[in-house]
Amino acid sequence: DIVMTQTPLSLSVTPGQPASISCKSNQSLLQSDGKTYLYWYLQKPGQSPQLLIHEVSNRFSGVPDRFSGSGSGTDFKLKISRVEAEDVGVYYCMQSRQLPPTFGPGTKVDIK
Amino acid sequence: QVQLIQSGTEVKKPGSSVKVSCKASGGTFSSYVISWVRQAPGQGLEWMGGIMPTSGKITHAQKFQGRLTMTTDESTNTAYMELSSLRSADTAVYYCTVAMVTWGQGTLVSVTS
Repeated sequence: DIVMTQTPLSLSVTPGQPASISCKSNQSLLQSDGKTYLYWYLQKPGQSPQLLIHEVSNRFSGVPDRFSGSGSGTDFKLKISRVEAEDVGVYYCMQSRQLPPTFGPGTKVDIK
Repeated sequence: QVQLIQSGTEVKKPGSSVKVSCKASGGTFSSYVISWVRQAPGQGLEWMGGIMPTSGKITHAQKFQGRLTMTTDESTNTAYMELSSLRSADTAVYYCTVAMVTWGQGTLVSVTS
């Protein structure tokens, strides 16, 4: 199975300030079709996960443009340009390059 | 946009089975893989398996071999996940998801003697 790691595991951010989460995989997530199957989810407290970013850098419908994803191969990043109170929760990266899909351990983001 | 409505909380004894349903409303999921993901209390997300309704093709994580059954009923737009030989470590919230994009609200399964 592909192992996903995230750093940091927790993050406390002042509203209006940027935040960044790193996600690494132990194998390249680049598929032969040219796509890289790396996703970002946010699980707000008491809610189901919600898709933020698909295929590294594509924001899902309705996701604010303060969220951006970048990276390639085995190294990825999620950036929030200006954190808002509604952004608290646990952020997960996930790969679907290879079965089974696997998730990172999550990064808990709260507000200072 | 399709919404997924899951069945309610289940309390089960060790060794028994549980069947969770996931009904799509506002659309159909037949063209997409329905996956099941679980989350133990205070833990992360774990993919269990997926089913493609149109073909019936199923894939599942090795650890659930022999214990996990996934089915769909296209006439009612409902997917089902049955987990057998339950143990306390199976206590978790179970989510259905269409294409890992749209997620149900989750179903708590508590396994306790």
